[in-house]
Amino acid sequence: KAGVTQTPRYLIKTRGQQVTLSCSPISGHRSVSWYQQTPGQGLQFLFEYFSETQRNKGNFPGRFSGRQFSNSRSEMNVSTLELGDSALYLCASSLNGRGTDTQYFGPGTRLTVL
Amino acid sequence: GENVEQHPSTLSVQEGDSAVIKCTYSDSASNYFPWYKQELGKRPQLIIDIRSNVGEKKDQRIAVTLNKTAKHFSLHITETQPEDSAVYFCAPSGPLFGNEKLTFGTGTRLTIIP
Repeated sequence: KAGVTQTPRYLIKTRGQQVTLSCSPISGHRSVSWYQQTPGQGLQFLFEYFSETQRNKGNFPGRFSGRQFSNSRSEMNVSTLELGDSALYLCASSLNGRGTDTQYFGPGTRLTVL
Repeated sequence: GENVEQHPSTLSVQEGDSAVIKCTYSDSASNYFPWYKQELGKRPQLIIDIRSNVGEKKDQRIAVTLNKTAKHFSLHITETQPEDSAVYFCAPSGPLFGNEKLTFGTGTRLTIIP
């Protein structure tokens, strides 16, 4: 099976712009989670989608949003970009959305905001 | 939600020595205890996991031990090698957890000194 893929891999934007990142989970996986990773900050949970429903959202401003499509692919959007949004954005998919499922991560999208 | 702490945050060991990373959690219902490894520039990947019905699991040079009473589990790496240099994350969860409640530890940066 193909692994989790994310596009684009690298992105450079300027402050005030918006960006959309995409995540394609492993075939058959129904849960997709998004994380922001900055140096020294670990994996900060953004949100999780299961069967097109957002089940939870982390402590991020409303500029961060997402959605999941019927084929389980997910997108996240960040509007009005700020310098502090520069980070590696990782998505992870799992089979049934249980915490006891193995999380399979994508390679990440590295976003740089100038 | 689950409170997860990892210690130490950074660890340097001589090649060939052993390394131990500890993960403390708060929810007594947790019964699944995985460790993820993230090498520099790569995605996190599951390296070993344990369920609460066993106290220890080994896979070649790595092992995980669990102390449910004290609510902590540890990653043990013996005969460390340069390729063990990475950031390690724990992510305890339980049967009632969905991915929306999954909490990763803050990470431990392990450096193997040649």
